Amino acid sequence: DVKVTQSSRYLVKRTGEKVFLECVQDMDHENMFWYRQDPGLGLRLIYFSYDVKMKEKGDIPEGYSVSREKKERFSLILESASTNQTSMYLCASSPPGLAGYNEQFFGPGTRLTVL
Amino acid sequence: QKEVEQNSGPLSVPEGAIASLNCTYSDRVSQSFFWYRQYSGKSPELIMSIYSNGDKEDGRFTAQLNKASQYVSLLIRDSQPSDSATYLCAVRGGFSSNTGKLIFGQGTTLQVKP
Repeated sequence: DVKVTQSSRYLVKRTGEKVFLECVQDMDHENMFWYRQDPGLGLRLIYFSYDVKMKEKGDIPEGYSVSREKKERFSLILESASTNQTSMYLCASSPPGLAGYNEQFFGPGTRLTVL
Repeated sequence: QKEVEQNSGPLSVPEGAIASLNCTYSDRVSQSFFWYRQYSGKSPELIMSIYSNGDKEDGRFTAQLNKASQYVSLLIRDSQPSDSATYLCAVRGGFSSNTGKLIFGQGTTLQVKP
């Protein structure tokens, strides 16, 4: 079974703090994704990565950055947390398009509250 | 026009009935289609994937794809209260190359009443 883990289930931070959200997958997937999910807005893609050290902006990258130094790990960084970044953050991974059909497998999510 | 559209619901069905969830998409060259189930407070879980026109069955779930009409549906037979959740439709566009990027609908909330 694909296993995607996220470093924290719940996180409380203060405005202005630098926040790191970690995601690790154990299926040797090339592609990894970070989403946020808010009521009424659905899943919104923040950043994704299709290879080590490669990253692309998603639909809402402002206020976020990412790091992918190793294939299994994809980190989301909030440089200076703000209250409007309070949300559920979901990490996902998938095999490459040429080899598979891109099912994305999600981690359990991190519910981040910024005070 | 949204790229992937779903009726937000809630769709309410009695226990034992067939629940029918629908999804339309705008990219004519879309390749792959997925249904995810998401319980409240949990992350999405993949339940069905379909790539060719027609029906694909897995237990009580049937996914139906019609590329000419650009819609994909999910049927849940013998609905149970445990099926109450939000169902997300996801589509891989034809030009996503090998990045694996999917476009998600907003989801349909299903309520199965005992």
